[in-house]
Amino acid sequence: SQELEQSPQSLIVQEGKNLTINCTSSKTLYGLYWYKQKYGEGLIFLMMLQKGGEEKSHEKITAKLDEKKQQSSLHITASQPSHAGIYLCGAEFSSGSARQLTFGSGTQLTVLP
Amino acid sequence: DAGITQSPRHKVTETGTPVTLRCHQTENHRYMYWYRQDPGHGLRLIHYSYGVKDTDKGEVSDGYSVSRSKTEDFLLTLESATSSQTSVYFCAITSGLANEQFFGPGTRLTVL
Repeated sequence: SQELEQSPQSLIVQEGKNLTINCTSSKTLYGLYWYKQKYGEGLIFLMMLQKGGEEKSHEKITAKLDEKKQQSSLHITASQPSHAGIYLCGAEFSSGSARQLTFGSGTQLTVLP
Repeated sequence: DAGITQSPRHKVTETGTPVTLRCHQTENHRYMYWYRQDPGHGLRLIHYSYGVKDTDKGEVSDGYSVSRSKTEDFLLTLESATSSQTSVYFCAITSGLANEQFFGPGTRLTVL
């Protein structure tokens, strides 16, 4: 979706390195979801952010939503081969209860051992 | 695991045939969704449901219909499948304190 841009499209890092994936919206976000997907498999829910300035962490993955609620970043510390996959951000652009998500095109992460 | 199953997991069919995909959930979630995932387009919402017999269209609803006659099942029907409907179809539900959205394992549909 052009409403939601993910960068970079692909990323190759050496094991142990830190990395950041960005998700930028052209509109105010009411909710921002991060998922991980292995090729040919389903989406694994990572985190959901709703408030400006909010930050959540799970193991070595941290996600932040900026104060203006138009950009989110996903940061992985000390990457491992198990982090490899496609990372997707999904956005809610309205405050209704239906939670209709618009997705970015994804970031393909490769972690070299 | 939000208790979501999809069936079938793989299907190959021919152009013009009807196809129904099933999403089943075991935890009484109110909201259910159907998305399709395609290279170059990412995930796009087809239809969603906010209760039994209550459904609404998403971004790419043309050529698809849905039904929800009971809470646990949300059916996606392609009345007359076309090759452009070859895709991976994902069902999702919202759950949790913050209404987080969780996805099923997906159905890979090929229309020849």
